[in-house]
Order: sequence, then C-alpha cells, then structure tokens
Amino acid sequence: SQQGEEDPQALSIQEGENATMNCSYKTSINNLQWYRQNSGRGLVHLILIRSNEREKHSGRLRVTLDTSKKSSSLLITASRAADTASYFCATDPYNQGGKLIFGQGTELSVKP
Amino acid sequence: DTAVSQTPKYLVTQMGNDKSIKCEQNLGHDTMYWYKQDSKKFLKIMFSYNNKELIINETVPNRFSPKSPDKAHLNLHINSLELGDSAVYFCASSTRSYEQYFGPGTRLTVT
Repeated sequence: SQQGEEDPQALSIQEGENATMNCSYKTSINNLQWYRQNSGRGLVHLILIRSNEREKHSGRLRVTLDTSKKSSSLLITASRAADTASYFCATDPYNQGGKLIFGQGTELSVKP
Repeated sequence: DTAVSQTPKYLVTQMGNDKSIKCEQNLGHDTMYWYKQDSKKFLKIMFSYNNKELIINETVPNRFSPKSPDKAHLNLHINSLELGDSAVYFCASSTRSYEQYFGPGTRLTVT
C-alpha cells in the first residue's frame, strides 16, 4: 500500500502543551503537506515542505522532513482548545501526476 | 466568497439509484480532484482533472464517472449506488504540486 502512516493515531494533551505528530511514507516525493480537518468539515492546508527542505515554520507550527528516513513530524507549540482536530500528512510522490497520498491521520484533543 | 463549493452537502438515497455531486472552484486553479473519505477517515483519491483532461483515474468502479465541463467545475456521477458507496466525498483544486484546497464535503448515505 502507498498509504502513509501516522503516529500516534490519537493524542490528548492539556492546553499550553506541545503536540507532536509523526508521519512515515514509502516512495520518493516532490513534497509533503500537512492538513487539518475539524469534525464534519473539509481539510484545510497547513504547511507544505519540499523534498529539498529539512524544516519549515508557520506560526505555532514546525514541520521537519527527513527524506533519508522517509519521515516527517508536525509540532504544534502552545496548543489551544481550538487546535482540536484530525491532522493528516499527505505526500506528493514523483511521477504520480500530482495526486496526494494521505496518511491515516492523528486525532488531536486539546483539553482546556 | 467560497473557494471550493460542493452540492449537495448531504445526500441520502436508496441502493440502485443514480446521483450526482457538483463541485465548483473560483480560485483559477487548473487541476481538480475527487477524494473519498471512509468511516475511518481514510482519504483516497479517485480522480484528477487538469484543464478538463483526466490525468488520474484510480481503481474506481466504472459506476463512478467524473465530468469536467470547464476548468472551474468537476462533477461526479454515480450509477447504481451500492451500500459500500456510503462515505464523504471531497472535491479539491490546486495548481499542480502545490497545496490543495478542499470543499466542505458531501456526505452520501446509501440505504
């Protein structure tokens, strides 16, 4: 299966704590993207990291990419209750016409 | 100013019926997609169109037929609906190899 794997499947933390989610994938990629999905809603793009980048920041988000290990991590610092959602990594594999392969998602719960 | 819109939001229908889901994007993107999200939240691409041309067609039953009348629209027609078709269907658009913008989803329930 080309499906990526995310770890953990579920994460429960207190407001103010940091949340780290990991993603592993199987093929060479053009880029890796992280998306958030609130319950009953569509996916919202958070951040894109290209295969030649190792780290990227956007506000409270920090993403790392290790292409040698075919893995990525998403760190959300100083979490808020509003961060409660499912988080998905998605890879854009080489020569696949731009389609995204999504991981299974991490369900994050931030308790106030 | 919705970027990617889908109609309907909910669709309840009986087995054997034919139904369509419409998608429109006003972002000027050249590529549009259909994804299926199952009850375990696993999201899988079904089709992709670039400038009205089919470029990705995953192993989807031929009861599913996408139609792109123009760059801004990608509709999904489903014939002879089955129980296993129940899922949430998402439309998305992008400029290829960049981030994708998703619609709000259509929850299809087949009874």
